[in-house]
Amino acid sequence: KAGVTQTPRYLIKTRGQQVTLSCSPISGHRSVSWYQQTPGQGLQFLFEYFSETQRNKGNFPGRFSGRQFSNSRSEMNVSTLELGDSALYLCASSFQGASSYEQYFGPGTRLTVT
Amino acid sequence: GENVEQHPSTLSVQEGDSAVIKCTYSDSASNYFPWYKQELGKRPQLIIDIRSNVGEKKDQRIAVTLNKTAKHFSLHITETQPEDSAVYFCAASTRGNNRLAFGKGNQVVVIP
Repeated sequence: KAGVTQTPRYLIKTRGQQVTLSCSPISGHRSVSWYQQTPGQGLQFLFEYFSETQRNKGNFPGRFSGRQFSNSRSEMNVSTLELGDSALYLCASSFQGASSYEQYFGPGTRLTVT
Repeated sequence: GENVEQHPSTLSVQEGDSAVIKCTYSDSASNYFPWYKQELGKRPQLIIDIRSNVGEKKDQRIAVTLNKTAKHFSLHITETQPEDSAVYFCAASTRGNNRLAFGKGNQVVVIP
């Protein structure tokens, strides 16, 4: 099976702009979670989508939002970008069966805000 | 929410020796504990995980142990090789909840 894919891989934006990142999960996986990775804060959970519904949300401001489509692909959007939003954004997919908890990460999108 | 701490932050070992990384967690409801390996510029890779109904799990040179009473779990790498050099992250979550709380990561350096 193909792994989790993310597009674009690199992005440079200026403060105040907005950005949309995309994640395609492993075929058959219905859950997509998003994480922000920075050197200072490490890996932090943003939100999780399952069957097109947001199921969990982390402690990030409302500028961070997401959605999931019927084919399980997910997008996240960050509006009014700030310098502190510069990070590696990772998505992870999970089958989410009764006994399956494993999450598999995509390669990430490196966002630089100038 | 769940808080996961990792120690030590950096670990240097001679090739062939063993490496042990320990994590502690705060939420007694957590019951799933994965370990991820992240090489420079690459995605985190799931290397092993353990659930709270199991005390130890092994996969070739790596093993994970869990002590629910003390709320800590550890990663053991035996016969370390240069390709084991990476940052290792521990994480915790509760069953059915994909919200992983990660530790800050350990840099493991294997010296040839």
